[in-house]
Amino acid sequence: TQLLEQSPQFLSIQEGENLTVYCNSSSVFSSLQWYRQEPGEGPVLLVTVVTGGEVKKLKRLTFQFGDARKDSSLHITAAQPGDTGLYLCAGAPDSWGKLQFGAGTQVVVTP
Amino acid sequence: DTAVSQTPKYLVTQMGNDKSIKCEQNLGHDTMYWYKQDSKKFLKIMFSYNNKELIINETVPNRFSPKSPDKAHLNLHINSLELGDSAVYFCASSHKRGTLGYTFGSGTRLTVV
Repeated sequence: TQLLEQSPQFLSIQEGENLTVYCNSSSVFSSLQWYRQEPGEGPVLLVTVVTGGEVKKLKRLTFQFGDARKDSSLHITAAQPGDTGLYLCAGAPDSWGKLQFGAGTQVVVTP
Repeated sequence: DTAVSQTPKYLVTQMGNDKSIKCEQNLGHDTMYWYKQDSKKFLKIMFSYNNKELIINETVPNRFSPKSPDKAHLNLHINSLELGDSAVYFCASSHKRGTLGYTFGSGTRLTVV
C-alpha cells in the first residue's frame, strides 16, 4: 500500500520555467522529507519539514508542508538543467523508522 | 569523507547462488536500513537496525538475512537468489528514528541471471 501519492510522475520543461511537484497522503506525518536522486546514485536529502504550514527555501527551491501535515509541495523557480533528477518525497510516521516513499517525479530540464 | 559506503556497486550472479552486500557508515548514526528500489524506482524498506537491534522486518522472504556486527555496519545476505531479486539495494543511516532525514549509500545493482 502506497501511503504517499506524488504528481506528476514525469515533468519535462525548458530551462527558465517554473515547476511544482506535489506529494499527498491521507496519513499524518511527523516530518516530510524531499530527496533528489540522480542515475546510479542514492537519494540525497534536500530538506525536512516538520511543522504544519512550514515553508523552507533552498536557493531556487521552495518546500511547503501542509497545515494538517498530510501533504507537501516542491516548487522550483527558473529551473536549470542541473535540476534534472528523480524527486522523491518521504513521510516519517510516528512509528519507529518506517520512512515511506512516494513513487517519485522524474524532472527533465532541457537547455 | 563522511558517508554511507556499500559494496559491491554491481553484482551479477546466477539463480540459486548466495551473495552478500556490505554497508558501513562513519556518520555516528545509530540506526541503519536496507531499502529495495524496483525497476519503477519505488523505494521500499526491508529492514532497520538500531544499535545492532532489529527493529523493522518488513514482509521480506527469509532468504534475506541482515546482520549488524556493530552500529556502524549492516550487511545483507541473500540465499538461493531468484530472478525477482534483481533490483537496486540501498543502505541508509540516520539518527534515531530518522525524522530529520536519512543518508543513503550509492546502491548495489543486483542482477540475477
